[in-house]
Amino acid sequence: DQQVKQNSPSLSVQEGRISILNCDYTNSMFDYFLWYKKYPAEGPTFLISISSIKDKNEDGRFTVFLNKSAKHLSLHIVPSQPGDSAVYFCAARDGLNYGGSQGNLIFGKGTKLSVKP
Amino acid sequence: DTAVSQTPKYLVTQMGNDKSIKCEQNLGHDTMYWYKQDSKKFLKIMFSYNNKELIINETVPNRFSPKSPDKAHLNLHINSLELGDSAVYFCASSQESSGGHTIYFGEGSWLTVV
Repeated sequence: DQQVKQNSPSLSVQEGRISILNCDYTNSMFDYFLWYKKYPAEGPTFLISISSIKDKNEDGRFTVFLNKSAKHLSLHIVPSQPGDSAVYFCAARDGLNYGGSQGNLIFGKGTKLSVKP
Repeated sequence: DTAVSQTPKYLVTQMGNDKSIKCEQNLGHDTMYWYKQDSKKFLKIMFSYNNKELIINETVPNRFSPKSPDKAHLNLHINSLELGDSAVYFCASSQESSGGHTIYFGEGSWLTVV
């Protein structure tokens, strides 16, 4: 039973345009949402996060939007660059501290973004 | 300097063998983790560990055991390897005591059981 879902396995975007990656979740106890970026043969790297008490967080070209009523978040990348081509994972943290550790994250399956020159 | 490093990066071994994957973090973090990414690309937590507590995902077979010689290391031991253990294993760390929620991953260890 997936608590974090990324329904689009892949996305292709032209350089300079906006990339929008979507994520849905089912657990209303999640208190933080994070986006990780992963290149082949490397570990995921942290990109941006948002607290459940906010609806938007922006960092340079990256903006994450959270719609709690819809249990939906999205990552916007503007403008998209070829170097952004990677797999993007949406992750959520259980505010009840799964097993007592705050760092336990639940990941989606990822969306592979391809930015074409 | 690599913040979270794990070795080996690639490991091919036969069924029934016992193997270990080592992990070290130089971030001064107080909590370390092991995650597994299976063939379906799901990235799932296996263990989280700080100096005081080991939390085990109940779905992890007891053939898997984490060992922490000190705060900066969390090694993963796997006994009696099975074909289904083939996956990418990621070590990670975070600073729990600061209330942080960001975890930092190693580059992964590709385990193939034949």
